[in-house]
Amino acid sequence: SQTIHQWPATLVQPVGSPLSLECTVEGTSNPNLYWYRQAAGRGLQLLFYSVGIGQISSEVPQNLSASRPQDRQFILSSKKLLLSDSGFYLCAWRQGLNTEAFFGQGTRLTVV
Amino acid sequence: GQQVMQIPQYQHVQEGEDFTTYCNSSTTLSNIQWYKQRPGGHPVFLIQLVKSGEVKKQKRLTFQFGEAKKNSSLHITATQTTDVGTYFCAGRTGNQFYFGTGTSLTVIP
Repeated sequence: SQTIHQWPATLVQPVGSPLSLECTVEGTSNPNLYWYRQAAGRGLQLLFYSVGIGQISSEVPQNLSASRPQDRQFILSSKKLLLSDSGFYLCAWRQGLNTEAFFGQGTRLTVV
Repeated sequence: GQQVMQIPQYQHVQEGEDFTTYCNSSTTLSNIQWYKQRPGGHPVFLIQLVKSGEVKKQKRLTFQFGEAKKNSSLHITATQTTDVGTYFCAGRTGNQFYFGTGTSLTVIP
């Protein structure tokens, strides 16, 4: 069966520090991968999605970036965090465009 | 740009009352999915609707897709405390799904 792993679960980082969140999927190949951010009490904002290795599409310009070094690995990064980067970050995958999305457990990031 | 709005943003109901959340898109959708996120958790897929005017039921939950494929609704009959959470719709346009703003449901015992 397929599983998705996302870590860390919680993270407190100072303003200006770098960020690296990792997501891996097991049990499938060539998944569509997504990074979402959910601010407190808000909806899901799509940040990046990837349909294949090295293919990244950005939905919202910001100081975050994403990379897909391997088929089932998706990384969200920042060189310098801002206070406004605080939120709940969710990684997700789906096999095809008409299939359900499976979400990771999420990372709660607090920038102080 | 693509927008998917949901109303209401928050809803408090007494246990046993019904609940409905509405999802509206600015453009025609290929299909729509619904997810539930429990407090502190991650969204979990509930259902997908594809056809114009489609209605699907899951026990006390009824999902509808509008005739114009621009709106959808989720209705819960006789809410229970286990229904607590945030309900999201996600509409597909082109190669992308756009999540609605979500409706947070609180059920008062």
